[in-house]
Amino acid sequence: LAKTTQPISMDSYEGQEVNITCSHNNIATNDYITWYQQFPSQGPRFIIQGYKTKVTNEVASLFIPADRKSSTLSLPRVSLSDTAVYYCLVGDDWNQGGKLIFGQGTELSVKP
Amino acid sequence: NAGVTQTPKFQVLKTGQSMTLQCAQDMNHEYMSWYRQDPGMGLRLIHYSVGAGITDQGEVPNGYNVSRSTTEDFPLRLLSAAPSQTSVYFCASRPTGFADTQYFGPGTRLTVL
Repeated sequence: LAKTTQPISMDSYEGQEVNITCSHNNIATNDYITWYQQFPSQGPRFIIQGYKTKVTNEVASLFIPADRKSSTLSLPRVSLSDTAVYYCLVGDDWNQGGKLIFGQGTELSVKP
Repeated sequence: NAGVTQTPKFQVLKTGQSMTLQCAQDMNHEYMSWYRQDPGMGLRLIHYSVGAGITDQGEVPNGYNVSRSTTEDFPLRLLSAAPSQTSVYFCASRPTGFADTQYFGPGTRLTVL
């Protein structure tokens, strides 16, 4: 399983763009990169997933450089409601056999 | 669809007691997992299953048992509760394939005295 490293915490202000970077130096060829968001007292929920280059949806963008050894989750113009823990996961279902490991995550605090 | 349901929502146990946390999903997902989350910490995988009759250990399996007799249900049994098992427990399910997303239940908050 590819190990991931993220900052433990980040602070931001409303209206700013937030970029959270995840390092995954030993990512394998078949691995996907997936980000989840967790609000207090709730289970995590899927935000975005990618394999290479850039992926964008209504919530966030995911930037993956050519070497795929890192990825950056970008949240445009954050609001107070974006305060949450964000998890970066890297893996390939066929090799992991159903095992999905979450790391420590990044605790994002958005201030007014 | 109800999604992933967990019961109970809250539970208080005394040290040494046993109990079963229930988890059910109605999405016909093959993969199901149990996680625990201690205060201020990330999620840690306890046990997981890739289909009925097939289970395997995760990161922190000691003190817990699981079984998967049907696709829908994946109960987690605490054999002899200890204060160190005080945590929030999340059940999750997903279809096969990492490209698909994982759905989480609302969690069970367990306190062991």
